[in-house]
Order: sequence, then C-alpha cells, then structure tokens
Amino acid sequence: DTGVSQNPRHKITKRGQNVTFRCDPISEHNRLYWYRQTLGQGPEFLTYFQNEAQLEKSRLLSDRFSAERPKGSFSTLEIQRTEQGDSAMYLCASSSSGNSNQPQHFGDGTRLSIL
Amino acid sequence: AQTVTQSQPEMSVQEAETVTLSCTYDTSESDYYLFWYKQPPSRQMILVIRQEAYKQQNATENRFSVNFQKAAKSFSLKISDSQLGDAAMYFCAYRSSLNNNDMRFGAGTRLTVKP
Repeated sequence: DTGVSQNPRHKITKRGQNVTFRCDPISEHNRLYWYRQTLGQGPEFLTYFQNEAQLEKSRLLSDRFSAERPKGSFSTLEIQRTEQGDSAMYLCASSSSGNSNQPQHFGDGTRLSIL
Repeated sequence: AQTVTQSQPEMSVQEAETVTLSCTYDTSESDYYLFWYKQPPSRQMILVIRQEAYKQQNATENRFSVNFQKAAKSFSLKISDSQLGDAAMYFCAYRSSLNNNDMRFGAGTRLTVKP
C-alpha cells in the first residue's frame, strides 16, 4: 500500500466555480478525515468519516462544502461557488479504529488556488 | 476548547547538533494524546512521535525524544544529531481521548538545518 492518495495535487479555478477533490485512504483504514491548511498555519479539522458515515463536521465547513464517502473507501470533498478565502491546502488523513491513539496518516494534499 | 501553541515560528540548527522545539497546550482533560508531525516542503505530513498523557515516561524514537511535562502542559521535541533531512515544518498536535476525531494542531515551527 502506498499510503493516502489525493487528487489533484493542484487546482486553479476562477471564483464562483465548483471544485471536487478526491482522497483514497489506506485500504484497511475505516476512518477518514479532511483538514484545511492555510499558509503559516497548522491543519484545521473539517470533517470525519467512519466507514461511510459522516460523524462530525467542523463549524469551518460552511454550506458550500460537502463531503461524501459513499462506499466507505474513497472520499470526495466538493466546494461550491468558490471564494477567495477558500484558497488553501486541503489535506486528507486516514486511520484505523481500535486504540484511540492510532495516528492519522496524511496524504500530500490538494492545493486550491482561487483566481 | 483545546488550543496548541508553538511559540517558535522558525528555528535553525547546525548539522549534528541538538535542537528543541517547544509546544504548550491548554486543556481541562486528564487523558489525551500528543503528537509531533513533520511536513517537509511539498511533501506529506508524517508522524514523528506520540505520547499518551497517562504515561509518565517520555516517548523516544531514535534521534527524536520528547519532554512531556503534564502539569505544565508542555510537550517539547528534541532532535539529536540533526541531519539535513530533518529540515521541515514541525507541528505539535493534541487529540482528546473523549473525541479522538478532532485533532488540534499548532501553527508549526520551521526548522532549518545548516550544513
């Protein structure tokens, strides 16, 4: 297994457009997380899935954001009507369940630039 | 709410020397987990070391060790025999044992290693 995979690596789009990112977690991991990271800051939690169920959403996740994990494997994060402030690195992470100290394994991220 | 503070935006160290990165956190919980993650430029974030709050013994992973002071809510990372490949952003992170889906990160410390 090659780890958490995210596509695309970079996305440049005009303000107002919709964008969708994909995350493929480590295959045996049933937990999947989305984070947003802006320049000079640490990642900020957006949302979390256990299998196909979205169990938690941060207040950062406005109505324009939606995440899915339909079959409990890969996940997508969609941003509708993008705004300048959406420019950031979007990170996906996965972990196994069991002991709650299981570390999260991160992907390379998708860097979103809004023109 | 839990917060994580990294007071050193940038640090530098001479190759083969030792450097300590600081991290403090704020929580009212007694059981939690602390992590240090490394994020090299344009590469994915990887786990360096983790500590369970209920363990008094400081975690060690090869050249990386922590100084966990629970009463002071301090969790510093010591890198011994620094190598050029250690250059990266280092993030301290906190995760509650009650809600282990929400990991809080500090703003990061950029470590430069001088040859």
